[in-house]
Amino acid sequence: KNEVEQSPQNLTAQEGEFITINCSYSVGISALHWLQQHPGGGIVSLFMLSSGKKKHGRLIATINIQEKHSSLHITASHPRDSAVYICAVVRRTSGSRLTFGEGTQLTVNP
Amino acid sequence: KAGVTQTPRYLIKTRGQQVTLSCSPISGHRSVSWYQQTPGQGLQFLFEYFSETQRNKGNFPGRFSGRQFSNSRSEMNVSTLELGDSALYLCASSLGGESFNEQFFGPGTRLTVL
Repeated sequence: KNEVEQSPQNLTAQEGEFITINCSYSVGISALHWLQQHPGGGIVSLFMLSSGKKKHGRLIATINIQEKHSSLHITASHPRDSAVYICAVVRRTSGSRLTFGEGTQLTVNP
Repeated sequence: KAGVTQTPRYLIKTRGQQVTLSCSPISGHRSVSWYQQTPGQGLQFLFEYFSETQRNKGNFPGRFSGRQFSNSRSEMNVSTLELGDSALYLCASSLGGESFNEQFFGPGTRLTVL
C-alpha cells in the first residue's frame, strides 16, 4: 500500500462545479504539499500546510493531522483548472524529501 | 525574483551514454532537491543537496549522482544510460535550514533514451 493515497484518480466536472480531491497518508508528517502539474510537466506548489486550512483565490486546502487526511477544494471550477493535482508529504523522519501520491487528473469542461 | 531554472529542457541520448542536467535555484535558496517522474513510477525523490553537501538520498542506483556548487546551483549526472531512465527530471529549491521549507519546482528536463 502506498504511503500517500489520492482519490479520485480521474475527475471530470462541468464549469462552475465545486470540486474536492482527497489525500490520505499513513505516516507521521511535518507538512503536506498540494501541487498542480499542467501538460508539459511544470509543477506549481499550490499550498504547503501542517495544520488547519488555507485559502488562495478559488482554492482551499484543509488538513486533519489526527485523521491523516487532507482535501483540496476548487470552487467555481474553470476549464483552466484542468491539470493533474498531486498530494505530497514530508515525512517527519525524512528531512525535506517529498513522498508523492499518484495524482488526480482533473478535466473541467466548458 | 526569478524562478527555478533547469537546462536543458529536452535531451535525447542513446543507451550507454552519460548525461548532466543543471538546476539554478531561486536566489537565496540553499537547498536543491531532484526528482524523477515516469508514467510507471510517478514522482520519486532522487537526492537533496544543502550547502554543497548531499543531505538526503532516495533509492536509486549509483549511476545517479549529483553535486552542488558554492552558488547553490546543482547538477545531476546519470552514467551508462538505460532505456528506463527516460523521464522528466525535476529540481526544486527551498531555503533549507533546520526546519522544512516550501519547495519551488523548475520546469523540468525531459530526457529520452533511445
